[in-house]
Amino acid sequence: AQTVTQSQPEMSVQEAETVTLSCTYDTSESDYYLFWYKQPPSRQMILVIRQEAYKQQNATENRFSVNFQKAAKSFSLKISDSQLGDAAMYFCAYRSAWRQGGSEKLVFGKGTKLTVNP
Amino acid sequence: DARVTQTPRHKVTEMGQEVTMRCQPILGHNTVFWYRQTMMQGLELLAYFRNRAPLDDSGMPKDRFSAEMPDATLATLKIQPSEPRDSAVYFCASGPTLRVPTNTGELFFGEGSRLTVL
Repeated sequence: AQTVTQSQPEMSVQEAETVTLSCTYDTSESDYYLFWYKQPPSRQMILVIRQEAYKQQNATENRFSVNFQKAAKSFSLKISDSQLGDAAMYFCAYRSAWRQGGSEKLVFGKGTKLTVNP
Repeated sequence: DARVTQTPRHKVTEMGQEVTMRCQPILGHNTVFWYRQTMMQGLELLAYFRNRAPLDDSGMPKDRFSAEMPDATLATLKIQPSEPRDSAVYFCASGPTLRVPTNTGELFFGEGSRLTVL
């Protein structure tokens, strides 16, 4: 079974600075998706960024980028120019790709609570 | 704007009462998932459906929980009888099946139902 580990329960960053959230995962599959979801106090789960394992290029979405290291099974999220609205819980998640067959479920890490200080 | 709709948003009930949570997935999505979020366990999969057929409910306590999809526009999660340890936020999520190669892998989440059992 796949597992996702987020080793930082809490992180803080100054407004306008850069912060990196860590995520590692364990799988024997070769094809899969990785995601970062954001959960603000409203508790809505919002997709921040996604990465397909067969793509070597790291995904970017405006101020958000990932460092995907497939061999190391590492998938970190970098937030640049942090804003007060970035304060939230961030969840790393894994999902098998369709070629693998098997379960379609999303497997989550425990989350990292990000605080942005003005 | 397509979204997953969950009701109720908040529910307070007494131990022993029946609780039913409802979810309307995004039109055209044929996989539906129920997740439970607690501080201790994080986000856990309770059950999921593909084309209304239950595929995995191994995370669900069978003696008191039940999940169904009476039709493609409605998924239900029922707890009977409820217990204080069931207090949590319950999320419904939907997405196209991964069996379609063009799938992006993303799941779309509802706003969650916060359940408090006294």
